[in-house]
Amino acid sequence: GENVEQHPSTLSVQEGDSAVIKCTYSDSASNYFPWYKQELGKRPQLIIDIRSNVGEKKDQRIAVTLNKTAKHFSLHITETQPEDSAVYFCASYSGGGADGLTFGKGTHLIIQP
Amino acid sequence: SAVISQKPSRDICQRGTSLTIQCQVDSQVTMMFWYRQQPGQSLTLIATANQGSEATYESGFVIDKFPISRPNLTFSTLTVSNMSPEDSSIYLCSVEPKGGMITGELFFGEGSRLTVL
Repeated sequence: GENVEQHPSTLSVQEGDSAVIKCTYSDSASNYFPWYKQELGKRPQLIIDIRSNVGEKKDQRIAVTLNKTAKHFSLHITETQPEDSAVYFCASYSGGGADGLTFGKGTHLIIQP
Repeated sequence: SAVISQKPSRDICQRGTSLTIQCQVDSQVTMMFWYRQQPGQSLTLIATANQGSEATYESGFVIDKFPISRPNLTFSTLTVSNMSPEDSSIYLCSVEPKGGMITGELFFGEGSRLTVL
């Protein structure tokens, strides 16, 4: 089955700096890569996603890049703000139903004031 | 996006008891799922709740421990049976509102935080 590795597990950055979270996947059939943000005590929420026919997608301060050849994708957050502090989960979807969605272990992003 | 209501939001339970979690969606959805999130961990799929038929369980999860009902397209329940402290987790209901896992995009409920003593 699919294996998703996410790094780092914890990331601390100064407010205003950029943060990058990286994920690798193993199943070459994976074609959809969402990122979820989970604030403390809250539900995971989809913040951005990318499909395998696209190399990069941007939404204001967040962007996701995908390298299909290398089987890795990354989340980039620029001009970080205190409200960006949360746990971020990457995931990959290889089809075939709910069991086709595999989550990474999560990255705890800490924004230092 | 779908509005998903889960209850209870949290509960403290005694070892050996069972608890049923309810999930209500504000619109009809084809796909509903139940996830478990152990403390500080990622999201693990328990099962797909199928409307009008038995749920589809993932490896490591069985119907006797986690019976699931899905009587219609807007409602599902998950029961955690014969609880032990290892069952202390957040249980999340999620839906794929666009008619199937073609997109893979999920919306989650707020979760039910269970503590088993």
